Amino acid sequence: GNSVTQMEGPVTLSEEAFLTINCTYTATGYPSLFWYVQYPGEGLQLLLKATKADDKGSNKGFEATYRKETTSFHLEKGSVQVSDSAVYFCALRGYSGGGADGLTFGKGTHLIIQP
Amino acid sequence: NAGVMQNPRHLVRRRGQEARLRCSPMKGHSHVYWYRQLPEEGLKFMVYLQKENIIDESGMPKERFSAEFPKEGPSILRIQQVVRGDSAAYFCASSPSGGASDTQYFGPGTRLTVL
Repeated sequence: GNSVTQMEGPVTLSEEAFLTINCTYTATGYPSLFWYVQYPGEGLQLLLKATKADDKGSNKGFEATYRKETTSFHLEKGSVQVSDSAVYFCALRGYSGGGADGLTFGKGTHLIIQP
Repeated sequence: NAGVMQNPRHLVRRRGQEARLRCSPMKGHSHVYWYRQLPEEGLKFMVYLQKENIIDESGMPKERFSAEFPKEGPSILRIQQVVRGDSAAYFCASSPSGGASDTQYFGPGTRLTVL
C-alpha cells in the first residue's frame, strides 16, 4: 500500500536559517504529491503540490521537487520566519481499484522558528 | 467564496452516546473526504463520498462509524456508542472532482472529546 515517511521533529531553527524537511514515499504508479501546513487549532492548508516526476511546486518561498528516482519530495525554504512555525505534512494521492485514493499523510513535522 | 465548513467545532460526548459531525463542502465541490487525527498518530483517511454515493470507505472502522453525503445538505459522519478512543480531531475536505491531482481543501475540524 501507499506510505509516506517524514522527519518528525520538532525541528528548531533560528530566523533566516535554511530549512529542509525530508519526505520519502512508497506508492504504486504515479501518485500526486502534496505539502500541507497546519497552524495550532486550525485545519490543513495546501502549501504546494506536484503531479508528475520532475515537477517543482512552490509557494510563499517554499519549494519541493518530485523526484521519482529517489521517491522523495523534500520541502525547502531559503530563509525561514517566525511565522513559519507550524506542523508540516507531506502527503500523496494515488490510484487503486476504480479510482483515486484518499490522501496518505506522513506523521507531520513540527517546525519551531526562534527569533 | 466560503471555504469548507464543519460544525460543531468542539463536541463533548459521554461514553455510549452518539456523535454527529457535519461538513459543508466548498461551493461547486461534489467530492468529500473525512480524516481523523489521533494524538501522536497523524492524519488517517476514513471515507470518500460523492453526492449520494460512498466511493471508498477503506479507512472506516467496521463498527459504529457511518458516513453519508445526501443530495441536499451537508455530509454527516456519525459515530454511535462513542468510546474514549474516539476522542480525536475529525477533518473534512472537499474537491471539485475526484482526480488524484486535485487539491483537497480542508475544513477547520471538529474536536471530539469523549468523557
